[in-house]
Amino acid sequence: GESVGLHLPTLSVQEGDNSIINCAYSNSASDYFIWYKQESGKGPQFIIDIRSNMDKRQGQRVTVLLNKTVKHLSLQIAATQPGDSAVYFCAESYSGGYQKVTFGIGTKLQVIP
Amino acid sequence: DTAVSQTPKYLVTQMGNDKSIKCEQNLGHDTMYWYKQDSKKFLKIMFSYNNKELIINETVPNRFSPKSPDKAHLNLHINSLELGDSAVYFCASSQEGQGSVDTQYFGPGTRLTVL
Repeated sequence: GESVGLHLPTLSVQEGDNSIINCAYSNSASDYFIWYKQESGKGPQFIIDIRSNMDKRQGQRVTVLLNKTVKHLSLQIAATQPGDSAVYFCAESYSGGYQKVTFGIGTKLQVIP
Repeated sequence: DTAVSQTPKYLVTQMGNDKSIKCEQNLGHDTMYWYKQDSKKFLKIMFSYNNKELIINETVPNRFSPKSPDKAHLNLHINSLELGDSAVYFCASSQEGQGSVDTQYFGPGTRLTVL
């Protein structure tokens, strides 16, 4: 259902510091996980993904960590920049059927110059 | 060379009206989606089509009817609009089939406001 009554979590980070955004997923059968970035007035944009046979994947300035034991996902952004300010969503999916992606509630990242 | 495009970007209408939102992707993808994002930024899938065939239909009022004339287009028609339909609607596409997963590419969104 909708996130009625819930406020969007906000993370404020100083420019240049590292950011860590956490996410708990719900379906133990999920085997594909994605992080999306949504800037104001735009659609979500793919950042990085990870499959369940991995526990860490690195991209350019971003790292995703997966802990299947506790169903936890995190996104680390190195040397956070003002352009990183956005809402970040984790998403989970199961490859057994047609992909249905379930999005988390999102975290708003505010970068302080 | 926009990958996933939606029209209109903004839609303001009265309760009870019928409206349509159009989506087109030029990525050659087989699967297209409609999502609804509420005021709290919660993003929820509504429908998914694979090669013009409906494959995901979440619990959505039957006032919402998707139509896919070809695999590059997925339109959303909404009858008898209600205040609670006010939201941002996103179209997305991906190259996938059964048993596989792939990145979804999102359109810019259509902000629907029902007065």
